[in-house]
Amino acid sequence: GESVGLHLPTLSVQEGDNSIINCAYSNSASDYFIWYKQESGKGPQFIIDIRSNMDKRQGQRVTVLLNKTVKHLSLQIAATQPGDSAVYFCAENDWRGAQKLVFGQGTRLTINP
Amino acid sequence: NAGVTQTPKFRILKIGQSMTLQCTQDMNHNYMYWYRQDPGMGLKLIYYSVGAGITDKGEVPNGYNVSRSTTEDFPLRLELAAPSQTSVYFCASRNKGQFGSNQPQHFGDGTRLSIL
Repeated sequence: GESVGLHLPTLSVQEGDNSIINCAYSNSASDYFIWYKQESGKGPQFIIDIRSNMDKRQGQRVTVLLNKTVKHLSLQIAATQPGDSAVYFCAENDWRGAQKLVFGQGTRLTINP
Repeated sequence: NAGVTQTPKFRILKIGQSMTLQCTQDMNHNYMYWYRQDPGMGLKLIYYSVGAGITDKGEVPNGYNVSRSTTEDFPLRLELAAPSQTSVYFCASRNKGQFGSNQPQHFGDGTRLSIL
């Protein structure tokens, strides 16, 4: 079956540095990808999404890169702040359906002062 | 707007009891979803609905039931609670999008359920 996995379960970076969170997906039919941020005791919060007809999309301090050749997704966070500490999930979907997301296990990002 | 609201926030049940987890959204979204999240894991889809009166199974539907009588509400029912259903439950909704384009799901803050 399809699965979405993350290369690193934890990541620590210094405040102000850039961070990169990686994600591998296995379903070649997946056509839509989303990054979510989850803080302790909260639900997942939408960060950024990307469709498969794009290879890069930028938001405010965040960039998502999609490499369909190797089925890899990454989230770059620029100039990290203490509030960026959270668990980050990637999710994939075959958009031709009702959007049944498949989530990875998550990466815990810790920002060190 | 309140977004997606889930009640209760916490609940402890005894094995064999039943309960309904409530979810309501005020964004007039067509699609609604229920997920469960076990410790240290990602979310897994239980049930989803593409509109009022229409529901379908997700990846882990056993032991649960849903209904969608209105656009706003999508309750999740546990009939005979089992320890394996101890988890955090999240409800989500999203807009339909135009021309087949996807829209991201927006989540509530969850119901933490323990079955003892």
